[in-house]
Amino acid sequence: GAGVSQTPSNKVTEKGKYVELRCDPISGHTALYWYRQSLGQGPEFLIYFQGTGAADDSGLPNDRFFAVRPEGSVSTLKIQRTERGDSAVYLCASSFTGTSGPFQNEQFFGPGTRLTVL
Amino acid sequence: AQKITQTQPGMFVQEKEAVTLDCTYDTSDPSYGLFWYKQPSSGEMIFLIYQGSYDQQNATEGRYSLNFQKARKSANLVISASQLGDSAMYFCAMRDTGRRALTFGSGTRLQVQP
Repeated sequence: GAGVSQTPSNKVTEKGKYVELRCDPISGHTALYWYRQSLGQGPEFLIYFQGTGAADDSGLPNDRFFAVRPEGSVSTLKIQRTERGDSAVYLCASSFTGTSGPFQNEQFFGPGTRLTVL
Repeated sequence: AQKITQTQPGMFVQEKEAVTLDCTYDTSDPSYGLFWYKQPSSGEMIFLIYQGSYDQQNATEGRYSLNFQKARKSANLVISASQLGDSAMYFCAMRDTGRRALTFGSGTRLQVQP
């Protein structure tokens, strides 16, 4: 498809385990974002990539969370030593980095990965 | 720091009627962008409309319009001629200079009744 894809759609793990969540952005989009959405809340920013580099990782809650985008396309969000509080929907979005001004460049979201930590 | 406030956790509207979803924001940056997203039960966030802080006119996209009142720091979404398919969560979000991340409000659940 032409949209942002995320795998898996659902992930159930046990407390203390390691998980990887994958995001495949829209082809040609140079910017990629990860957000976390807890039940009943709006998405919260985690990290933003411009190309291969993390341009803003100020939203990562602690050092158990890490993300990579080695070739400037697919990104993986990695969570070590998962905790029950990590349970949420993890959303990925992508956008162009255009020259039309800094405030447009709509972010296109994927369907999310629902992570449940038991 | 940016903050988005959506004070209506839930709203009901009759089919074919118009509805306004409230959003107020706070930022110290003079340049910023305001967004509205729709999130149906499937979970995907769908972009609806954008308003720049320096735009002179209120944004419109089909049945969606944004009532932008800069002095009051409000950016309400107006949906005209509501349809059953408009039932969803609606999120207001903003982004300011130098930061590409969006800050979202807590959302409003809209239910359109036949």
